Amino acid sequence: QVQLVQSGAEVKKPGSSVKVSCKASGGTFSSYSFSWVRQAPGQGLEWMGRIIPILGITKYAQKFQGRVTIIADKSTSTASMELSSLRSEDTAVYYCARDVGTHTGSYHGDWGQGTLVTVSS
Amino acid sequence: QSVLTQPPSASGTPGQRVTISCSGSSSNIGDNTVNWYQQVPGTAPKILIYSNDQRPSGVPDRFSGSKSGTSASLAISGLQSEDEADYFCSSWDDSLNGPVFGGGTKLTVL
Repeated sequence: QVQLVQSGAEVKKPGSSVKVSCKASGGTFSSYSFSWVRQAPGQGLEWMGRIIPILGITKYAQKFQGRVTIIADKSTSTASMELSSLRSEDTAVYYCARDVGTHTGSYHGDWGQGTLVTVSS
Repeated sequence: QSVLTQPPSASGTPGQRVTISCSGSSSNIGDNTVNWYQQVPGTAPKILIYSNDQRPSGVPDRFSGSKSGTSASLAISGLQSEDEADYFCSSWDDSLNGPVFGGGTKLTVL
């Protein structure tokens, strides 16, 4: 099992950007795939994108294309997600998760504790 | 609106068996496997069932999953108070080229 520890809560102004980090321990960071999933207050889960550090490949959900950037730092075993042009609807808890399994058959096996991002003027 | 459809709520008494449905389409459940997550309020989701009917180690065999066509179900037998949580189904969507989720089902143990 891989432990994922995320950065702390953030309060941001509309139009600004936020970067959330996710430090992994207990496994081989580069060999994994990491996804970012968000959950608006009282709402369901929404996949934003993923990165495969060993390949340097990223894939983003169509909804977030152009606004989200996911990177991985193999030297610190940390994945990060930056979301720009924030609006109030982006207020949510953001989770990082380790993907397990093959491409279309994968699932999110380990989760970070979540980071609350509040967008408010 | 969520791509996969789940009932917003379900309930049962201790010891009962409850099922939660998840409906999709040919581009997701119909062509790919289904996963189920359990989320206790205030905590991160946890994988409960993967690949339609597989339980990760540590998940009690009271939990079981199944899939037929473009729908899937999660069954919980011998319901316990600690099963009170939100349950989400998920599957890869070939059209959206990424995983999609159901809106979640809030399970109440009466």
